Amino acid sequence: SYELTQPPSVSVSPGQTASITCSGDKLGDKYASWYQQKPGQSPVLVIYQDSKRPSGIPERFSGSNSGNTATLTISGTQAMDEADYYCQAWDSSTGVFGGGTELTVL
Amino acid sequence: QVQLQESGPGLVKPSETLSLTCTVSGGSISTYYWSWIRQPPGKGLEWIGNIYYSGTTNYNLSLKSRVTISRDTSKNQFSLRLSAVTAADTAVYYCARTSYGSGTYYFDHWGQGTLVTVSS
Repeated sequence: SYELTQPPSVSVSPGQTASITCSGDKLGDKYASWYQQKPGQSPVLVIYQDSKRPSGIPERFSGSNSGNTATLTISGTQAMDEADYYCQAWDSSTGVFGGGTELTVL
Repeated sequence: QVQLQESGPGLVKPSETLSLTCTVSGGSISTYYWSWIRQPPGKGLEWIGNIYYSGTTNYNLSLKSRVTISRDTSKNQFSLRLSAVTAADTAVYYCARTSYGSGTYYFDHWGQGTLVTVSS
């Protein structure tokens, strides 16, 4: 079965750039989405179709996808961005999530 | 603004069937795909399956033998049934609207989630 691999945790200082990676076989041939989940809340879509931002998502969130790796980048990271982030892609009509990355802003 | 709300028993006995319903407001289920996703306590997200308004379904292969997703367009609801549950099925269950574009899908609206515990 298809797998997506994320680092368990990433730390970033306020105002700096955070990058969260998601790796999968030929992931660049698929589209990746990213979801933000804060404690006790439902996930929120922050990036879809590799690099598109839904309405209401700040411009500091961006995404890219090439080769075997998709990347979520948060520029000028703020304390409110501290959360778990999940990548997601589709393989043979099956939805697959990465294991999630805990972003700490300190 | 579309809203989704999960409902159903919070406690299910082992070997029995888990049944949940998602009620959609602010939009019709007669468009889009609609998904179920779960999250065991302290763990990551797992896609369970989805249904199109036409009734076409897709399921996670790891759960396919136990899962049924259906919809009732007259009530603007879709439902999940998971049979022969075990403690490993204890999770928060989310329903989500699944949008389609450029050949891919994404979950753009989520319910608040409902915790289902499997225990005798």
